Amino acid sequence: QVQLVESGGGVVQPGRSLRLSCAASGFTFSSFTMHWVRQAPGKGLEWVALIWYDGRKIYYADSVKGRFTISRDDSKSTLYLQMNSLRGEDTAVYYCVRDHSVGTAMVDWLDPWGQGSLVTVSS
Amino acid sequence: SYVLTQPPSVSVAPGQTARITCGGNNIGSKSVHWYQQSPGQAPVLVVFDDSDRPSGIPERFSGSNSGNTATLTINRVEAGDEADYYCQVWDISSDHVVFGGGTKLTVL
Repeated sequence: QVQLVESGGGVVQPGRSLRLSCAASGFTFSSFTMHWVRQAPGKGLEWVALIWYDGRKIYYADSVKGRFTISRDDSKSTLYLQMNSLRGEDTAVYYCVRDHSVGTAMVDWLDPWGQGSLVTVSS
Repeated sequence: SYVLTQPPSVSVAPGQTARITCGGNNIGSKSVHWYQQSPGQAPVLVVFDDSDRPSGIPERFSGSNSGNTATLTINRVEAGDEADYYCQVWDISSDHVVFGGGTKLTVL
C-alpha cells in the first residue's frame, strides 16, 4: 500500500537548520508531484512547498521562500525539506503529501498524507 | 494571493445535515478539494474535484461548487464525523496551493 513516512523532526534553536526526510513506498515515486504541508499547534493547514514529478518546477509559500528548500531523490524514493534560519513561527507538524497528478505538470488534490513530523523551534 | 474563507465552526445534531462553506473569488472556476482531520490524525481526502468521492468515503459526503462558494455537505451526520474540515484549491496565478482556514464540525 502507499506509504509516506517522515523523519528528522525535533527541537532546534532559532536560527539553526534542520532537514526533514520522507520515505515513500508502494507507488512509483518518480511519477508524482510531491508537497510539504505544515500545521502549527492548534492552527490550520499551511502549504509549504511542492516539487514537480520531474523536479523541473519548484514552488514555495511566501513564508518560507529563501529559507526552505524542497528536493527529491527518485533513486531513494525520498522527499526532503531543508529548513534554514528557523524561527519560532516555523514550529509545526510537517506533513509529506503526494499529489494526485501522475507524470504531468499539474497540481490536483493531495492524497495520501504521511503521519507528520513535529518540528519545534525554541531556545 | 487567493484567499479561501470558511466558518470557524458548524454544529449539527446527529442524523441532521451539515453544510460547510468555502468562499473564494470566482471559486466556481476552480477545482475544490475537501479534507477531514480528526484530532491527532493526518488529514484525509473526502471530496475531490468539487463533488467526487474517493473510494471508502461514505455517500453521505458530497460537494458542490458554483459562483463564489463551494460547499461540503454531510448527510445523516454521525458522531464519528466530528472533525476539522479544510477546503483546498490550486491557485494557478500564484502557483500556490491554498487551504481554507478550516471548520470545526461539532456533533451535538
